[in-house]
Amino acid sequence: GENVEQHPSTLSVQEGDSAVIKCTYSDSASNYFPWYKQELGKGPQLIIDIRSNVGEKKDQRIAVTLNKTAKHFSLHITETQPEDSAVYFCAARSGNQFYFGTGTSLTVIP
Amino acid sequence: EPEVTQTPSHQVTQMGQEVILRCVPISNHLYFYWYRQILGQKVEFLVSFYNNEISEKSEIFDDQFSVERPDGSNFTLKIRSTKLEDSAMYFCASAWGPTDTQYFGPGTRLTVL
Repeated sequence: GENVEQHPSTLSVQEGDSAVIKCTYSDSASNYFPWYKQELGKGPQLIIDIRSNVGEKKDQRIAVTLNKTAKHFSLHITETQPEDSAVYFCAARSGNQFYFGTGTSLTVIP
Repeated sequence: EPEVTQTPSHQVTQMGQEVILRCVPISNHLYFYWYRQILGQKVEFLVSFYNNEISEKSEIFDDQFSVERPDGSNFTLKIRSTKLEDSAMYFCASAWGPTDTQYFGPGTRLTVL
């Protein structure tokens, strides 16, 4: 089955700096890659996603890139703000199942 | 904005007892899911449900587990004879279609003593 690896597990950045979180996947048939933000006490919330026929997608301060050949995808957050502090999960869909990474705890220091 | 809700937020039970976790998916969604997250570990897929039947399940979802949509709004996960290792956060999610964005509920923390 699919295996998703996520790095780093923790990340601290100064407010205004950029944050990058990277994921790799193993199943070349995976075709959809969402990113979720999980705040304390809440369920994961979708923040951006990318399909396998696209290499990059951007939504304001958030962007995702996908390299199908290397089987990795990354989340980029620019101009980070304290409210970006949360746990971020990547996921890959293989068939009708989603496989999640282990999460990255992002702390934005004011 | 519509959202997925789950009850209870925290459930404590004795080993061997049965628990039912409840979810109310977004009203016009047709696909329903359960995931679990053991503390400090990955979110893991348990089961997907469509048209009143299971469409896919993981190896975790054994005979101890069952799902049901007893009425037009609720979606439940039943765990029979709970074990210590069932302690985890359980998330329900729903989607309009099988490849559409899944919206997650806030989760139920299950603690088995």
